[in-house]
Amino acid sequence: AQKVTQAQTEISVVEKEDVTLDCVYETRDTTYYLFWYKQPPSGELVFLIRRNSFDEQNEISGRYSWNFQKSTSSFNFTITASQVVDSAVYFCALSEAGYSGYSTLTFGKGTMLLVSP
Amino acid sequence: ETGVTQTPRHLVMGMTNKKSLKCEQHLGHNAMYWYKQSAKKPLELMFVYNFKEQTENNSVPSRFSPECPNSSHLFLHLHTLQPEDSALYLCASSVSSGYSYEQYFGPGTRLTVT
Repeated sequence: AQKVTQAQTEISVVEKEDVTLDCVYETRDTTYYLFWYKQPPSGELVFLIRRNSFDEQNEISGRYSWNFQKSTSSFNFTITASQVVDSAVYFCALSEAGYSGYSTLTFGKGTMLLVSP
Repeated sequence: ETGVTQTPRHLVMGMTNKKSLKCEQHLGHNAMYWYKQSAKKPLELMFVYNFKEQTENNSVPSRFSPECPNSSHLFLHLHTLQPEDSALYLCASSVSSGYSYEQYFGPGTRLTVT
């Protein structure tokens, strides 16, 4: 069975601080995919990144960066120089290889990030 | 319109009412999903449709009835709901292939059952 754990329920930071959101996953599959989504107060989940289990390179996109470590089953997300607009709930998700043709995502419970001015 | 749209955005209904939620995707995807998001609970997958065929039903009560007339449209028909069904209902779509592609979500319908 798959499981995603986001131990941090809520994080509060002041603007311009760096913040790291933790994600730990469990799966028996050797091929799997990891995702991060952002859910602002408007409600829509916004896709941020997909990473497959064979690609352990870290990725940077602007102020966002992701650290994937198979050895610790973690896929952490760092926001550098946080801004008020980063305030949202962030979800980590896991999917097995979509041999059936579609993906079934297992989501963590989410981490609420509050960035104050 | 672009992406995934959902209507209505907000819905208040009594327990004896019948209503429908609509989802439309403009991304050319072939897989569509319904999720339920309740306060303080993880996102719950309800239904999956792949090329218009229902492929997953995660033990959802029969008072929720999905319909997928084509790959672009997905409906969720609601009848005799309970107050605990109040939640944000999210629709998503994805590419259907041998890999696991990301899902794109609509803005959701905030449902309140009175």
